[in-house]
Amino acid sequence: EVQLVESGGGLVQPGGSLRLSCAASGFTFSIYNMNWVRQAPGKGLEWVSYISSSGATTYYADSVKGRFTISRDNAKKSLYLQIHSLRADDTAVYFCARDLVVRGMAGFDYWGQGILVTVSS
Amino acid sequence: DIQMTQSPSSLSASVGDRVTITCRASQDISNYLAWYQQKPGKVPNLLIYAASTLQSGVPSRFSGSGSGTDFTLTISSLQPEDVATYYCQKYNSAPRTFGQGTKVEIK
Repeated sequence: EVQLVESGGGLVQPGGSLRLSCAASGFTFSIYNMNWVRQAPGKGLEWVSYISSSGATTYYADSVKGRFTISRDNAKKSLYLQIHSLRADDTAVYFCARDLVVRGMAGFDYWGQGILVTVSS
Repeated sequence: DIQMTQSPSSLSASVGDRVTITCRASQDISNYLAWYQQKPGKVPNLLIYAASTLQSGVPSRFSGSGSGTDFTLTISSLQPEDVATYYCQKYNSAPRTFGQGTKVEIK
C-alpha cells in the first residue's frame, strides 16, 4: 500500500525556519517525481515545489522561490522541504504528493495526510 | 505564468443532475490537465488526467474533455457523495498551477 507521511510541522515565529519531511512506503520511491502542495486555512490548493526522481531538477512557485528548498534522499525514501524566512501567509497545511507517471508528470495520484505549519508570533 | 480560471466558483444542483465545471488556461496547455476532488476535511483525490483519462477507481459518471485552453469536468448524474470542491491543474510545465476551485453542493 502506498503511503506518504509528513512530519515536522508546527508553530513557528515569523522569520523562522522549518524542515518538513515526507516518508514514503509501498512503492519504488526513487523512480517517481515528487511535489509539495499547500492549502491555507479555508483556501484552495497551491502547488509549491517539484523534484525529479533523481533529484537533479527542481522547480518552485514564485511565492516561495529563494526561501524554500526541496530535496530528497532516495536511500531513505524521504522527501524534504526546507523553509526559511517564514511569513504569516505561509501558514497552511503542507502535502507531499506523488506524480502519477514514473519519471513523468500527469497529476498527483497519492497524497500525504498533510502537516500544518502555523506562522505566528 | 499561465493562469487557470475555473467557473463557476460554486454551484448547487439536485441529485441526478448533470453538472459541468469549466477550467480555462490563459495559454495553450495541450491536454496537460488534471482534475481533483477534495471532500471536506479530506485529501485531494485525482479524478482525471490528460484532460480526459479517468483515473483508476473513479466512478464513470465523471468525465473530462477539452484541449488547448478550454476544459470541462462533467458529472453525469450528481450523487450525494460528490459534494466536494473540484480543482483543475495544469502540468505541462512549472508552475503546476491549480484553478481556484469549484464548490459543488446538493440543492
